[in-house]
Amino acid sequence: DQQVKQNSPSLSVQEGRISILNCDYTNSMFDYFLWYKKYPAEGPTFLISISSIKDKNEDGRFTVFLNKSAKHLSLHIVPSQPGDSAVYFCAAGASGSARQLTFGSGTQLTVLP
Amino acid sequence: DAEITQSPRHKITETGRQVTLACHQTWNHNNMFWYRQDLGHGLRLIHYSYGVQDTNKGEVSDGYSVSRSNTEDLPLTLESAASSQTSVYFCASSESRSLFDEQYFGPGTRLTVT
Repeated sequence: DQQVKQNSPSLSVQEGRISILNCDYTNSMFDYFLWYKKYPAEGPTFLISISSIKDKNEDGRFTVFLNKSAKHLSLHIVPSQPGDSAVYFCAAGASGSARQLTFGSGTQLTVLP
Repeated sequence: DAEITQSPRHKITETGRQVTLACHQTWNHNNMFWYRQDLGHGLRLIHYSYGVQDTNKGEVSDGYSVSRSNTEDLPLTLESAASSQTSVYFCASSESRSLFDEQYFGPGTRLTVT
């Protein structure tokens, strides 16, 4: 049973528009959430994170929103650029337990010029 | 510049063979992790280590082992390779145990078991 789900395997967006990537989780113990970005033939790189005490965290063009009641988080990229084309992984962890990260299956974002 | 490297980048082996994947980091991080990435599953934790002589099992540890004899290296051994272990393997490291601490990933090793 996947505790972190990314239900959209792929997403295509026009350059300059907003990209919205979604992630759902089932474990109510999760209190820290991260997004990683991965280019082909490279390892994932950290993008942005949010703890459960917040509902929004912003870093430049990237904003993560957390809805604890719905167990849902989303990553907004505005404006989208062709260089943002990559696989995006959502990850979650529970600070009170083993502190391991559980990753979603990823969403392939393609930004069309 | 500090980095994390993995070798080999590609490996083809036969069922039943023992295989060791290398991971070396120059960040001087105490924490190191091994993940496998499979289509539809994202990244799943195999083993992790919080320091020299410390190793712990992750979500999918069966058939794998690790040892930590120094800070820089965490080799992953497949005792008897199986076709189900065909995957892309990523090593990562982080400075502290905190979830708030970014994990730095290596470039990955693509392993094919025939």
